Amino acid sequence: AQKITQTQPGMFVQEKEAVTLDCTYDTSDPSYGLFWYKQPSSGEMIFLIYQGSYDQQNATEGRYSLNFQKARKSANLVISASQLGDSAMYFCAMREGPGGFNKFYFGSGTKLNVKP
Amino acid sequence: DTGVSQDPRHKITKRGQNVTFRCDPISEHNRLYWYRQTLGQGPEFLTYFQNEAQLEKSRLLSDRFSAERPKGSFSTLEIQRTEQGDSAMYLCASSLGSDLQRYFGPGTRLTVL
Repeated sequence: AQKITQTQPGMFVQEKEAVTLDCTYDTSDPSYGLFWYKQPSSGEMIFLIYQGSYDQQNATEGRYSLNFQKARKSANLVISASQLGDSAMYFCAMREGPGGFNKFYFGSGTKLNVKP
Repeated sequence: DTGVSQDPRHKITKRGQNVTFRCDPISEHNRLYWYRQTLGQGPEFLTYFQNEAQLEKSRLLSDRFSAERPKGSFSTLEIQRTEQGDSAMYLCASSLGSDLQRYFGPGTRLTVL
């Protein structure tokens, strides 16, 4: 089974509007972490936001927030007030395990296009 | 710039040739990871170092691939007898101790003709 599933290959959003990128995950480990990365066309993976499995509140970082629904095993990324510079690939990733070497799994990504 | 750096950024080679990529992690980071990313996919784990010790290798890492981190600082990834299927972006990442975050470099894009 896929560890991380991103069902939206591509998304369009109007500039200044909010957009939600979907991510579901699969793990039986009680300790895990969820990440979102942005990958512009230059190739570098840019860390956006992190949610730990024991965190009670949804993570927020500026215009990024993570809608964490543990029972549904979903970790959707919400980008508020989209900007043209947000156009990029977005990857959801999961770390399994609390420490030591952690397996890190990535989804297949969502390509976001922000329209002016 | 104190981030992860990779060299070269792009490499075009003919099938059957050997190639070597270099990764310089963030200076105090003791953990270093190599990933491969093919078009339209997320990165896939290849191998992991803690200091100079290679502790984990993916089954994706065939015997044509070898990675080293001789002094626990920079790392090299060598692919021998390249095949067209090796064409991909090779990403390096580093982290510190139990730091949960991996910091990625810009990647090396390999094209095998």
